[in-house]
Amino acid sequence: EDQVTQSPEALRLQEGESSSLNCSYTVSGLRGLFWYRQDPGKGPEFLFTLYSAGEEKEKERLKATLTKKESFLHITAPKPEDSATYLCAVQAKSGNTPLVFGKGTRLSVIA
Amino acid sequence: EAQVTQNPRYLITVTGKKLTVTCSQNMNHEYMSWYRQDPGLGLRQIYYSMNVEVTDKGDVPEGYKVSRKEKRNFPLILESPSPNQTSLYFCASSLGRGRFNEQFFGPGTRLTVL
Repeated sequence: EDQVTQSPEALRLQEGESSSLNCSYTVSGLRGLFWYRQDPGKGPEFLFTLYSAGEEKEKERLKATLTKKESFLHITAPKPEDSATYLCAVQAKSGNTPLVFGKGTRLSVIA
Repeated sequence: EAQVTQNPRYLITVTGKKLTVTCSQNMNHEYMSWYRQDPGLGLRQIYYSMNVEVTDKGDVPEGYKVSRKEKRNFPLILESPSPNQTSLYFCASSLGRGRFNEQFFGPGTRLTVL
């Protein structure tokens, strides 16, 4: 069974204090790993897709990396507006498998 | 503006009263999907549709129906809602399931079943 585990569940950072969020996954052949940002009361907003180990993608203060077992979302010098829940999801290659989401990491950045 | 819209945004109903939550996208996306989000359980897929007239069950389809008669619309139907269907529902769409599975989510529908 495909599984996604995100850690930590919650993270509190001071503005400018860089850190990383972890997404560990087990999947029978990875088609893609996805990162989303979700603000309270809103739908998830797509951030990145990673397809193969070693791949990296960046967007502003965010950088996502992928290995064969996990993905990291690095946040460099975060700002209060980066506060949100970050969701990781995987999709397996086989058949019409749905996205499997982790439970998310709730990030708070304090000014 | 490219978007996924859902209606209603908030709904309080009673057990057994049939309801429909509408979902529409204006991006000509092939793939559409419904999720529910519950505290401690994360996002779980209810149903999805690869194209018009093609739908399939996700992880938690019990108690739900869908239809895809037009490419842009994918309504979620609860024939006889029960309190355990109280949840936050999201519709999503994407170009396809392959390397284009960057899903765009709607704003959500918060449903309460009394």
